[in-house]
Amino acid sequence: GQQVMQIPQYQHVQEGEDFTTYCNSSTTLSNIQWYKQRPGGHPVFLIQLVKSGEVKKQKRLTFQFGEAKKNSSLHITATQTTDVGTYFCAAVPTDSWGKFQFGAGTQVVVTP
Amino acid sequence: GAGVSQSPSNKVTEKGKDVELRCDPISGHTALYWYRQRLGQGLEFLIYFQGNSAPDKSGLPSDRFSAERTGESVSTLTIQRTQQEDSAVYLCASSQGHGVFTLHFGNGTRLTVT
Repeated sequence: GQQVMQIPQYQHVQEGEDFTTYCNSSTTLSNIQWYKQRPGGHPVFLIQLVKSGEVKKQKRLTFQFGEAKKNSSLHITATQTTDVGTYFCAAVPTDSWGKFQFGAGTQVVVTP
Repeated sequence: GAGVSQSPSNKVTEKGKDVELRCDPISGHTALYWYRQRLGQGLEFLIYFQGNSAPDKSGLPSDRFSAERTGESVSTLTIQRTQQEDSAVYLCASSQGHGVFTLHFGNGTRLTVT
């Protein structure tokens, strides 16, 4: 079956620093989505990537979809305390529209 | 409603008892999902409903778990003869379907089996 791996599982960042979290799938994806879950909250949709090599930006967040549509990354620049939370990628395989497989998430802790 | 509503928000039950969790999706959303999230873990897919199609039950961990959905509205997730390993947050999400699959999550039901 499809495997979705996220690395790192845990990221401790100094405020103002940049970091990147990665999502890798064992199979080709139709699209990938990213969600953020604040401590004690529920996942909230951030972005969807559909095209091979697609890059999308949301302020300090940059999302990229790999050329082979098997991996994705989320890069955050100038980290702020509001970036605290767990970031999940959600992969949709080409043969199963709507059936999302979530990665284990990257838990981000920001030190002021 | 304005968002996905789940009830109860917390449930404590004794091992061996049955529990029923409820999800009210966003009005008009044809797709509905149940996920399980153990403490500090990712989201584990349980079941997916899309319109009137047969649900995708491939994520249900055992035959103690079942889910129903009434048309394109309320869904209930039932866990029979609960075990301690069933303790987790059960998250429901809905999406518009019809090619739009952005998930809108409820606040979840925190289930504790003692």
